[in-house]
Amino acid sequence: GEDVEQSLFLSVREGDSSVINCTYTDSSSTYLYWYKQEPGAGLQLLTYIFSNMDMKQDQRLTVLLNKKDKHLSLRIADTQTGDSAIYFCAEKYNFNKFYFGSGTKLNVKP
Amino acid sequence: GAVVSQHPSRVICKSGTSVKIECRSLDFQATTMFWYRQFPKKSLMLMATSNEGSKATYEQGVEKDKFLINHASLTLSTLTVTSAHPEDSSFYICSARPGEGSPLHFGNGTRLTVT
Repeated sequence: GEDVEQSLFLSVREGDSSVINCTYTDSSSTYLYWYKQEPGAGLQLLTYIFSNMDMKQDQRLTVLLNKKDKHLSLRIADTQTGDSAIYFCAEKYNFNKFYFGSGTKLNVKP
Repeated sequence: GAVVSQHPSRVICKSGTSVKIECRSLDFQATTMFWYRQFPKKSLMLMATSNEGSKATYEQGVEKDKFLINHASLTLSTLTVTSAHPEDSSFYICSARPGEGSPLHFGNGTRLTVT
């Protein structure tokens, strides 16, 4: 359950959609999360999905989960400059264990 | 709801001194809190799990005598970095959750600089 991988960088233009991808290794993960970190701040929970779900949408955010491939993605529609941050995916795979990916730095160009 | 408050946000101290960081759950009780360390441009590394009323559980490689954790109440956990050295300079973040099925909620982190 310790290998959570993300690409390091993503650059998009304002108004485009952003898709941030994450892969994990532990098939017994119960919940998977997306967090946003702005410079010098802690992590802000954006959304999460239970492992028996395939998709969850919350306003501009859409989470897709492919449990067979152990692949999680976060789509941000109509990306704004305020969305520029580091995005972490995380998995919870037993009672108290959460593992985080290395973070994807999203740069939104005006 | 589920607000976690962490203080101080930034601290500069001299080598050899100790620094205490507080983590509070403001609107919920937390029997368990988590302390993470984040290196520049790196992910979060879990240091220890703080358990209310009992000893903390430290991850492998984390010195428990160096990083003292106290979880004296259901809303407060403290991390004390003892005899700090420049290599302890880092961003420390705490987190907690209202219940087992809840996600982690994070404090805003503490930037520690040891000179």
